[in-house]
Amino acid sequence: KAGVTQTPRYLIKTRGQQVTLSCSPISGHRSVSWYQQTPGQGLQFLFEYFSETQRNKGNFPGRFSGRQFSNSRSEMNVSTLELGDSALYLCASSKSGRPNYEQYFGPGTRLTVT
Amino acid sequence: AQSVTQLGSHVSVSEGALVLLRCNYSSSVPPYLFWYVQYPNQGLQLLLKYTSAATLVKGINGFEAEFKKSETSFHLTKPSAHMSDAAEYFCAVSSSNYKLTFGKGTLLTVNP
Repeated sequence: KAGVTQTPRYLIKTRGQQVTLSCSPISGHRSVSWYQQTPGQGLQFLFEYFSETQRNKGNFPGRFSGRQFSNSRSEMNVSTLELGDSALYLCASSKSGRPNYEQYFGPGTRLTVT
Repeated sequence: AQSVTQLGSHVSVSEGALVLLRCNYSSSVPPYLFWYVQYPNQGLQLLLKYTSAATLVKGINGFEAEFKKSETSFHLTKPSAHMSDAAEYFCAVSSSNYKLTFGKGTLLTVNP
């Protein structure tokens, strides 16, 4: 079974631009979560989607948004990029998102903002 | 609110020595706990999970963890370290609001 895929793997953007990252979950998984990983803040939860509905959102500004499509694929968008948005963005999929179900992570998208 | 504390941001062991990575959690409800490993420039790989079925959980690559409710701990161990175990390890707790809360991570170095 194919794992979680994320595209692109690397991105370089300029301050003020916007960016869209994509995530394809494991087949049959309906929950997709996004996390931001930085050296200073570690792994922080961005949001979780299930059946195209956002069920939870982390403590990030409104510049961070996401969506999920009917095939469970998900995108996240960051508008008006800031230098501090440079990070590894990880997507994870789960069968249901319930607490006892493990989440499987993709390789991440490395975003560099200059 | 749930939280995870990993004691020791960096642990160094010799090849063949015992690996012990510490994790303490805080949770108002019975927790579901996970250990993940991250190799350089990669995503997170699940090592093992605790979901109340058994207090001693065996995972991949020879790792295991023991859930101790009285100590609110879920420490990760491996009897004999291998060079390939060098990576960063994250302990996480799962909550009812569909998210994982991670510890800050422990970087494991294995010396030949």
